[in-house]
Amino acid sequence: GAVVSQHPSWVICKSGTSVKIECRSLDFQATTMFWYRQFPKQSLMLMATSNEGSKATYEQGVEKDKFLINHASLTLSTLTVTSAHPEDSSFYICSARAPSGGYPSGFFGPGTRLTVL
Amino acid sequence: GESVGLHLPTLSVQEGDNSIINCAYSNSASDYFIWYKQESGKGPQFIIDIRSNMDKRQGQRVTVLLNKTVKHLSLQIAATQPGDSAVYFCAESGSGGYNKLIFGAGTRLAVHP
Repeated sequence: GAVVSQHPSWVICKSGTSVKIECRSLDFQATTMFWYRQFPKQSLMLMATSNEGSKATYEQGVEKDKFLINHASLTLSTLTVTSAHPEDSSFYICSARAPSGGYPSGFFGPGTRLTVL
Repeated sequence: GESVGLHLPTLSVQEGDNSIINCAYSNSASDYFIWYKQESGKGPQFIIDIRSNMDKRQGQRVTVLLNKTVKHLSLQIAATQPGDSAVYFCAESGSGGYNKLIFGAGTRLAVHP
């Protein structure tokens, strides 16, 4: 089956620093990638939709200047949390979708646990 | 509107019993629905999906029922096993799944021996 990886799996950083999270589709080309955030004991909340080669579409209430998304290739999307603060601590999950066939909803990565001190 | 995650309700069952997890979805225009299983510290794992032109679909030990009239989705797990313990989310999408997914609140399933 299709595999999506994320790196790092967990990261701890100091308040005010920036953190980059990578999402890769390992065995298929993903024209669309989605980024979610999940707080403890809560559901997944979609942050943004990323299409290869174009600007990401952010959900209402998500600051595009704080959460920078780059989808420069068909197998890689990155999420950069800029000037991170403790309230940004969360579980960040990506999903990747192939242009056709298979599961239209895409495949999820294993998630990245971000802790901001 | 979009479903917002709240504190997770818990369903406790005995090993070997059948489990039924319910979900109310929000958008009557949604035409594709998916159930995911999420174990602690991991990403969601696809279980089963159903399109709006169906009201029932079966997989291995799992059945999804869709009631569009009341915007209700359920996941039935037969002969529940300890390995089924996880949080289960329903998700909805429009245009056959090629639109963004909106996740429901989730239910924690606890299987007791």
